[in-house]
Amino acid sequence: EPEVTQTPSHQVTQMGQEVILRCVPISNHLYFYWYRQILGQKVEFLVSFYNNEISEKSEIFDDQFSVERPDGSNFTLKIRSTKLEDSAMYFCASSERQGRSGELFFGEGSRLTVL
Amino acid sequence: AQTVTQSQPEMSVQEAETVTLSCTYDTSENNYYLFWYKQPPSRQMILVIRQEAYKQQNATENRFSVNFQKAAKSFSLKISDSQLGDTAMYFCAFTSNYGGSQGNLIFGKGTKLSVKP
Repeated sequence: EPEVTQTPSHQVTQMGQEVILRCVPISNHLYFYWYRQILGQKVEFLVSFYNNEISEKSEIFDDQFSVERPDGSNFTLKIRSTKLEDSAMYFCASSERQGRSGELFFGEGSRLTVL
Repeated sequence: AQTVTQSQPEMSVQEAETVTLSCTYDTSENNYYLFWYKQPPSRQMILVIRQEAYKQQNATENRFSVNFQKAAKSFSLKISDSQLGDTAMYFCAFTSNYGGSQGNLIFGKGTKLSVKP
């Protein structure tokens, strides 16, 4: 059964460093998402991506964050200069149709620890 | 702003019994979707069941069913004949159906369900 895969599963970084989290969505899906979950808090929407551009983003997704789909298969989330409060589990998701009518398929998550 | 509230941080149920997980939400919209996602200990969230707000009939998927009370803004999940594999974190989620939204999900904090043998 096809699934969304994410790498790395866990990354530890120093504050101020750049981090790239990678995701391989399901191959025939067209919509891609990043969510994050700070320990003990809700899963929060970060950004959605369609047709090679951001379609929606939350207030959390500021200028420190960026997404791209560099090669038609990978979908990456970059944090330019990490802060302590960026420590969280980051989930990638993809869907065949827009999220409101289609099922989102999630990856297992990448745990980011910022020291 | 829309919010989703799950008031039960943890629940437990005996195998083969029935359990109901609560979810309430707040929105001023009339047309939206509600979901229950399950996150087993392996951490991958999977969709359990989905309800469209304009449909009065409660959604059912095998042992999983919902009690959707639109006026009360309540969306509870009932798991019948609980199995050990149902042990997981369960998230209630909402998404708007309006054109400007691409369907980003708003999640509750989750309910950790333990099924005991």
